[in-house]
Amino acid sequence: EAGVTQFPSHSVIEKGQTVTLRCDPISGHDNLYWYRRVMGKEIKFLLHFVKESKQDESGMPNNRFLAERTGGTYSTLKVQPAELEDSGVYFCASSQETVSTYEQYFGPGTRLTVT
Amino acid sequence: GNSVTQMEGPVTLSEEAFLTINCTYTATGYPSLFWYVQYPGEGLQLLLKATKADDKGSNKGFEATYRKETTSFHLEKGSVQVSDSAVYFCALTSNTGNQFYFGTGTSLTVIP
Repeated sequence: EAGVTQFPSHSVIEKGQTVTLRCDPISGHDNLYWYRRVMGKEIKFLLHFVKESKQDESGMPNNRFLAERTGGTYSTLKVQPAELEDSGVYFCASSQETVSTYEQYFGPGTRLTVT
Repeated sequence: GNSVTQMEGPVTLSEEAFLTINCTYTATGYPSLFWYVQYPGEGLQLLLKATKADDKGSNKGFEATYRKETTSFHLEKGSVQVSDSAVYFCALTSNTGNQFYFGTGTSLTVIP
């Protein structure tokens, strides 16, 4: 079974540009999560999809971030326009259930560098 | 609110040394506790978990016990190997389980 995949693995863009990150969850996982780790700090929750619906987007930092999950399969996270403080590693995760005892399966992350 | 405080790194140990990475938490209700590991160039992988007080999670020689009285979930291994070099994250999920709360991560390097 394929794991969670993310594309690209690394992106370097200039301040003011737009970047779109993609996540493909494990097949059959209705729950999809985005997280971000800024340099040396904790991994922080951004948002949670159940199928194509946003269940919780309380962690989204501002309206420059837009997440979508059309059709309830893969998801994209767009940053427009990018700022220096957006640099970090963006992780995607998926799970079958939202019960707290269930693990989430994480992708390898996309390292975003804004210069 | 929910939060995780994790031992600062980096940690460097010689092969076969004893490892402890401290983790304490603050949570509402009854959280589940996890340790995730990120090996170089890879994604986060679940290492072990415990879902209620006094439970012990174990995997690959690593252990952690859910201590409600001290709100801790310290990671231990009796004899580390070079292949254990990685970043270790302590995390919790709340009752609703909608999101993980992670610590800052502890980088471990094991030298031969």
